[in-house]
Amino acid sequence: AQSVTQLGSHVSVSEGALVLLRCNYSSSVPPYLFWYVQYPNQGLQLLLKYTSAATLVKGINGFEAEFKKSETSFHLTKPSAHMSDAAEYFCAVTSSGYSTLTFGKGTMLLVSP
Amino acid sequence: NAGVTQTPKFRVLKTGQSMTLLCAQDMNHEYMYWYRQDPGMGLRLIHYSVGEGTTAKGEVPDGYNVSRLKKQNFLLGLESAAPSQTSVYFCASSRTQTGQPQHFGDGTRLSIL
Repeated sequence: AQSVTQLGSHVSVSEGALVLLRCNYSSSVPPYLFWYVQYPNQGLQLLLKYTSAATLVKGINGFEAEFKKSETSFHLTKPSAHMSDAAEYFCAVTSSGYSTLTFGKGTMLLVSP
Repeated sequence: NAGVTQTPKFRVLKTGQSMTLLCAQDMNHEYMYWYRQDPGMGLRLIHYSVGEGTTAKGEVPDGYNVSRLKKQNFLLGLESAAPSQTSVYFCASSRTQTGQPQHFGDGTRLSIL
């Protein structure tokens, strides 16, 4: 079975501050991990994905995530938040033999001036 | 390149009415998915399809039916709508290989009165 836990339903940062969104996963086999972003009234857009090629993954809009097997984590970071980063972020996991994704419950990122 | 298109974007139904949500993708993807999104619940998989003519149940299939008569289309039906089915519905599609990301439509906002 697979599962994803996103710590914190809401995270607030100031513009220019570090963004850290936490994701922990559970998988009995090597995972594939994804971060998606959802802006208001839109569908989900892929930010980045981990597919075992490199543990540090760079995505769009300056985001990156590091796969840490020992911690079963895939936290999302961005050095400096912009107002336009305000959105909901979802972590998801799948693995070999699965044709579906398991999503976390999401973290709403709030950015204040 | 339209990607994944969902029709309609908004709909209000009365309890007991039926309707069909249409999802169309132009990326020649084999896999297609229907999710519902509710506040604080993340995305929950309703049904999915791994190819034309196939369907499978997801996490929350009760009260919904699906059909995949053509590769590019995936229909979600509500036979007798209930207020608990008020939600935002998302369709997604992906290639077959493990680790491929899902591509999402913009959603259908459905209210059941």
